[in-house]
Amino acid sequence: DQQVKQNSPSLSVQEGRISILNCDYTNSMFDYFLWYKKYPAEGPTFLISISSIKDKNEDGRFTVFLNKSAKHLSLHIVPSQPGDSAVYFCAASASGTYKYIFGTGTRLKVLA
Amino acid sequence: EAQVTQNPRYLITVTGKKLTVTCSQNMNHEYMSWYRQDPGLGLRQIYYSMNVEVTDKGDVPEGYKVSRKEKRNFPLILESPSPNQTSLYFCASSFAARTEAFFGQGTRLTVV
Repeated sequence: DQQVKQNSPSLSVQEGRISILNCDYTNSMFDYFLWYKKYPAEGPTFLISISSIKDKNEDGRFTVFLNKSAKHLSLHIVPSQPGDSAVYFCAASASGTYKYIFGTGTRLKVLA
Repeated sequence: EAQVTQNPRYLITVTGKKLTVTCSQNMNHEYMSWYRQDPGLGLRQIYYSMNVEVTDKGDVPEGYKVSRKEKRNFPLILESPSPNQTSLYFCASSFAARTEAFFGQGTRLTVV
């Protein structure tokens, strides 16, 4: 039972445009969410996080939106750059636990 | 340089031969964890440790052991590896459970 779902395995976007990566979750106890980026042959690197007390968090070109009622979060990258081409994972943790559940990842390709 | 170091990077072994994958971090982080990455399944947490001598199971702990005798080290032990443990393994550390994680570069394990 996949508690964190990234339903789009891949996404292609033109350079300079907006990339929107989506993540859905089923466990209403999740209250802390993170996005990681992964290049081939490297470990994941942290991008941005959000706790359930907020509905938006920004860091430069990256913005994460959280819709608790829909159990949905999204990562917006504006403007997209070729160096953003990577696999993106969302992860969630539930209140009172220290376990993390990751999604299956979305491969983003930014076309020059 | 702040980093998480895993060794070995690549390992081919035979079924049943005990092995240890080492993980060390130099950031004085309290929280450490192990993940495996498999195609179509994303990252799945195996074990995590809140601090020295405090460990707990993640989502897929069967067939694995860990120990945390020192703050900087968190080895992953496969007492009797089986082919279904062929995977890409990542160690990660973070200042606390609810903060961004830093990942190692990964260990690709093949069990034949």
